[in-house]
Amino acid sequence: KNEVEQSPQNLTAQEGEFITINCSYSVGISALHWLQQHPGGGIVSLFMLSSGKKKHGRLIATINIQEKHSSLHITASHPRDSAVYICAVRSGNNNDMRFGAGTRLTVKP
Amino acid sequence: GAGVSQSPSNKVTEKGKDVELRCDPISGHTALYWYRQRLGQGLEFLIYFQGNSAPDKSGLPSDRFSAERTGESVSTLTIQRTQQEDSAVYLCASSPGIRNTEAFFGQGTRLTVV
Repeated sequence: KNEVEQSPQNLTAQEGEFITINCSYSVGISALHWLQQHPGGGIVSLFMLSSGKKKHGRLIATINIQEKHSSLHITASHPRDSAVYICAVRSGNNNDMRFGAGTRLTVKP
Repeated sequence: GAGVSQSPSNKVTEKGKDVELRCDPISGHTALYWYRQRLGQGLEFLIYFQGNSAPDKSGLPSDRFSAERTGESVSTLTIQRTQQEDSAVYLCASSPGIRNTEAFFGQGTRLTVV
C-alpha cells in the first residue's frame, strides 16, 4: 500500500464547478504539500500545511492530522485549472518527501 | 538565479551510455531532492541530501544510479549504462531544510534512452 493515496485519479468537471481532491496518508508527517503539475512537467507548490486550513484565491486546502487526511478544493473552476494535482507528505522523522500518484483534473468550458 | 535550475532540459542518449544530470538549487537551501517521473506515472523519490548529513539513497532503483552533492551547492545525478526503462523526466527540488518549509522544483530533465 502506498504511503500517500489520492482520489480520484482522474476528474473531469464543467467550468464553474466546485472541485475536491482527497489525500490520505499512513505515516507520521511534519507537513503536507499540494503541488500542481501542468502539461510540460513544471511543478508549482500550491500549499504547505501542518494543521488547519489555508486559502489562496480560489484554492482551499485543509488537513486533519488525527484522521491523516487532506483535501484540496477549487471553487469556480476554470479550464486553466486543468493540471495534475499532487499530494506530498514530509516525514515526521526526517525531511524527505513521499508523493501521491496525482489527480488529473480536466475542466471543460 | 531565483529558482532551481536543471540541465540539460532534454537529453537523448544511446542505450549503454552514461549520463550526468545537473541541479543547481536555490542558494542557501540545505535540502535537495531528486525524483523521477516516468511517462504517465507519478513522482518517484530517488535520493535526498540534507546539509552535510549522509544522503538518503533509499529510492535509487539500482547501483547504476548515483548522486553527489558538495556541501549545499550543485548536485549531479549519474546514470551508468543507461537502459530504456531509465527514460523519464528527472526532477530536482530544494528547500531551506527546516522541516515545515516549502520545496521548490526545477523544470526537470527529460531523458530519452534509445
